[in-house]
Amino acid sequence: DAKTTQPNSMESNEEEPVHLPCNHSTISGTDYIHWYRQLPSQGPEYVIHGLTSNVNNRMASLAIAEDRKSSTLILHRATLRDAAVYYCILRDVTGTASKLTFGTGTRLQVTL
Amino acid sequence: GAVVSQHPSRVICKSGTSVKIECRSLDFQATTMFWYRQFPKQSLMLMATSNEGSKATYEQGVEKDKFLINHASLTLSTLTVTSAHPEDSSFYICSASAGGHTDTQYFGPGTRLTVL
Repeated sequence: DAKTTQPNSMESNEEEPVHLPCNHSTISGTDYIHWYRQLPSQGPEYVIHGLTSNVNNRMASLAIAEDRKSSTLILHRATLRDAAVYYCILRDVTGTASKLTFGTGTRLQVTL
Repeated sequence: GAVVSQHPSRVICKSGTSVKIECRSLDFQATTMFWYRQFPKQSLMLMATSNEGSKATYEQGVEKDKFLINHASLTLSTLTVTSAHPEDSSFYICSASAGGHTDTQYFGPGTRLTVL
């Protein structure tokens, strides 16, 4: 799987929007962009994924650059429960169920 | 979303004993299950991939005779840590996938293993 680059950590105030960036300059045409997050002492949780178009769901929005070499996970109103490590992962869409390769992710701190 | 459970959530054992961890997909059939290990302040490392009815595929550096994986049904996979040692103490996490082109993985809550 192609590599992703994320900042080690970010801070946000509660109730504010948060934009978590991810660079993936070597992305291939068959790579989906997946985001997972891991709260302390828990297993990771699926957040959102996309291929080319921006995506929205109840948890977040995913904005994908036109050249697909970067993407941004957007939390519209951060809460204390959003404090977690956020992982941006590329998954090849071809073939059968494929493994996830976790990088170091971005540790999001949310303060009052 | 889909639910994956793990049992036990926490286990403490003596060095040399074996420990079995169960991973279940509660509301969907998982064609593929994955086992990860996470040491403190580190990221998740994939240990092995298992498909129902087949032998597991282990990642490089993971001893298949030490970490026995059984995927006997579409809803259950087990990881047995044989002859556990203190260096095996870690957070073990499973995930399950129903397959398909988007292939979302749903993770269990993890099992904290402490080997004394």
